[in-house]
Amino acid sequence: DVKVTQSSRYLVKRTGEKVFLECVQDMDHENMFWYRQDPGLGLRLIYFSYDVKMKEKGDIPEGYSVSREKKERFSLILESASTNQTSMYLCASSPPMWDRDNEKLFFGSGTQLSVL
Amino acid sequence: QQPVQSPQAVILREGEDAVINCSSSKALYSVHWYRQKHGEAPVFLMILLKGGEQKGHEKISASFNEKKQQSSLYLTASQLSYSGTYFCGLTNAGGTSYGKLTFGQGTILTVHP
Repeated sequence: DVKVTQSSRYLVKRTGEKVFLECVQDMDHENMFWYRQDPGLGLRLIYFSYDVKMKEKGDIPEGYSVSREKKERFSLILESASTNQTSMYLCASSPPMWDRDNEKLFFGSGTQLSVL
Repeated sequence: QQPVQSPQAVILREGEDAVINCSSSKALYSVHWYRQKHGEAPVFLMILLKGGEQKGHEKISASFNEKKQQSSLYLTASQLSYSGTYFCGLTNAGGTSYGKLTFGQGTILTVHP
């Protein structure tokens, strides 16, 4: 089974802190994603990456950056955390084009971030 | 633009049926359905492609109405295990999405004994 692991289940940070959210997948997937989940708004795409050292902005990239130094790891960075970034953050990966499951997203369990 | 799901919440008794709708303001290419149980990761249920091909879950079905720019998820003879939040995710352009989806706001489904 595909496993997408997010390093922290709960995180509490202060306004202005630099925050790193880590995500690792163990299935050699090329594509990785960061979504943010808020009640009433569903899941919104922050950033995604189709290859190592490659990144593309999603729908709500402001205030975030990402890093993909290795294929299995995709990090989300909040340069200066703000209270409106309090949210559930979900990492996901998907298989390469030649895989029959290439349309499926495999999600991690999420990191609930609270910014005080 | 995010698709709109309706209803926002639905409460059922075991054995009852439910329909969840997902509407887009743009032309659809593919619709993906996910379910998230409380405290867990969203899990893939089904994908529907333009042209009618459907892949996915055997106990839950869905339709894709290209003309109405809408998809509906049908849960028949609901079980307690169906409880959770259902999300639709869309792609509006041709080609494979590779997971880059625009999700709706979610529909909370609660099944009681």
